[in-house]
Amino acid sequence: EADIYQTPRYLVIGTGKKITLECSQTMGHDKMYWYQQDPGMELHLIHYSYGVNSTEKGDLSSESTVSRIRTEHFPLTLESARPSHTSQYLCASSIRQGALHEQFFGPGTRLTVL
Amino acid sequence: QKEVEQNSGPLSVPEGAIASLNCTYSDRGSQSFFWYRQYSGKSPELIMFIYSNGDKEDGRFTAQLNKASQYVSLLIRDSQPSDSATYLCAVYTGGFKTIFGAGTRLFVKA
Repeated sequence: EADIYQTPRYLVIGTGKKITLECSQTMGHDKMYWYQQDPGMELHLIHYSYGVNSTEKGDLSSESTVSRIRTEHFPLTLESARPSHTSQYLCASSIRQGALHEQFFGPGTRLTVL
Repeated sequence: QKEVEQNSGPLSVPEGAIASLNCTYSDRGSQSFFWYRQYSGKSPELIMFIYSNGDKEDGRFTAQLNKASQYVSLLIRDSQPSDSATYLCAVYTGGFKTIFGAGTRLFVKA
């Protein structure tokens, strides 16, 4: 079944730790995205990718980095986590078909940095 | 002015009523428009999309688009308590850029 997966679903870590949030999709989509969303707030785009070896920063300044070595995999890394990184991280993918540009979201990773 | 604006709500409607959710956008070159539903603590899920002026119906949901007024709306007929969620309006403006509104919280009272 085509889907988009994120692991871990929940993560509680201490300040200064390096973490990687995993995102994989089996839909064959070229475009992938990382969003950050605080409770009750809007989604903010932090990174996106058009395809393999293509990554760009989004509108929200972020201390995270991403890589896209395989089409289906788009991990996000925080080199040194801080309490300000506490948030929900949502991965999404899309493929453009004509005028459409639907995005499909993974279940999210809720990160708490102590 | 935000690029995509929604009333944050909460919008409260009784069960069985019509819920009307509204969204305005600023980029006249916007190409396609989406409504996502997001339950508390969950990720957004797509429920409707529209890219031509007029109405588009899917079951209890109707999306309406007026490009001249830069306005898109979502009507939910026969509202159910399970419709209680935050509804995000999203606008695709080209390239990588889909702009999401902050969402309208809907409560359907049983």
